[in-house]
Amino acid sequence: DAKTTQPTSMDCAEGRAANLPCNHSTISGNEYVYWYRQIHSQGPQYIIHGLKNNETNEMASLIITEDRKSSTLILPHATLRDTAVYYCIVRVKIQGAQKLVFGQGTRLTINP
Amino acid sequence: NAGVTQTPKFQVLKTGQSMTLQCAQDMNHEYMSWYRQDPGMGLRLIHYSVGAGITDQGEVPNGYNVSRSTTEDFPLRLLSAAPSQTSVYFCASSYSSVRNNSPLHFGNGTRLTVT
Repeated sequence: DAKTTQPTSMDCAEGRAANLPCNHSTISGNEYVYWYRQIHSQGPQYIIHGLKNNETNEMASLIITEDRKSSTLILPHATLRDTAVYYCIVRVKIQGAQKLVFGQGTRLTINP
Repeated sequence: NAGVTQTPKFQVLKTGQSMTLQCAQDMNHEYMSWYRQDPGMGLRLIHYSVGAGITDQGEVPNGYNVSRSTTEDFPLRLLSAAPSQTSVYFCASSYSSVRNNSPLHFGNGTRLTVT
């Protein structure tokens, strides 16, 4: 399984853009990059995913480098409610299993 | 749609007791799975199902059984609870079990304590 590396923690001021990096240097051609977040101990919440093109939805933007070895999740105008642990995950299918290997994630703190 | 619903939210068991954690989804999702989350360990896959009547083991299946008699439901059974099974359990589902371009949707978890 491809693995991901993220910083342990980050801070961002409220109203500013939060840019969360992720390295996935062993990613292979058919593996998507997924981003989830977990607030307190709620269930992980899906944010966005992409293969090789940049993606944007109502929550965030995902920028994937051309070599696909890293990506950045952008929360354009961070609010206090965006304080959470953010997981960058490469998803693969192995023998029928949709395997998501969750690392430790980045603890993002939005400061007023 | 309610999404993925897990019951109960909290449970305390004594060692050796059995119980079933319920998971239901109303999105007609093909794929369902169970994860446990422990401090410092991240989320680990217990069991998964790619459709009704089909189940398979994940990373940490020992001590747990599952069944998938309907598309909607995927209960997780603890036959003889042990303190090592104290954890937060999450159920997750996705539309497709084949396409890896299909996000997983998680329930809000069951917090289980085994004394």
